[in-house]
Amino acid sequence: LAKTTQPISMDSYEGQEVNITCSHNNIATNDYITWYQQFPSQGPRFIIQGYKTKVTNEVASLFIPADRKSSTLSLPRVSLSDTAVYYCLVGSNDYKLSFGAGTTVTVRA
Amino acid sequence: DAEITQSPRHKITETGRQVTLACHQTWNHNNMFWYRQDLGHGLRLIHYSYGVQDTNKGEVSDGYSVSRSNTEDLPLTLESAASSQTSVYFCASSESSDSNQPQHFGDGTRLSIL
Repeated sequence: LAKTTQPISMDSYEGQEVNITCSHNNIATNDYITWYQQFPSQGPRFIIQGYKTKVTNEVASLFIPADRKSSTLSLPRVSLSDTAVYYCLVGSNDYKLSFGAGTTVTVRA
Repeated sequence: DAEITQSPRHKITETGRQVTLACHQTWNHNNMFWYRQDLGHGLRLIHYSYGVQDTNKGEVSDGYSVSRSNTEDLPLTLESAASSQTSVYFCASSESSDSNQPQHFGDGTRLSIL
């Protein structure tokens, strides 16, 4: 299971773009990179997944360089409701996920 | 819409009591998981199941048990509750066809053991 490293916390203001970078130097060839979002008193929620290059959905974009040793989650024009903990996960071992401490993103008015 | 529900949302009990937390999913997923979340530890896997009659231990399984008699439900039992098991518990499910399939989580059960 590839180990991931991401910042503990990030602060931003409404309307700004937030970029969270996750390092995963030991990513395996068939591993995907998945990001989850967790609000207080709720379970984690899948937001985006990618294998290489760029993936975009209605919530976020995920940028993955060619060497795949890192990835960046981009949240465009954040609002107060984007305040949450964001987890980066790489691959899975028999479907078991390993969540670290995540990145606490705080959006201020 | 398909969903995964946990009950109760909050529970207070005493040490030594048996406690069962319910998890019910309508995704028709084969895989189901139980995690606990504590400050400083992220989410840690307790038990998981790949299908009916299948159960497996996760990294923090001591003191917990699960049973899978149907696709929809995976109840988690604390045989003799201990204060160290005070935590927030999350149930999740995923499809079985691909190990990279995202998991769907419930909203958790906050368990306090006094």
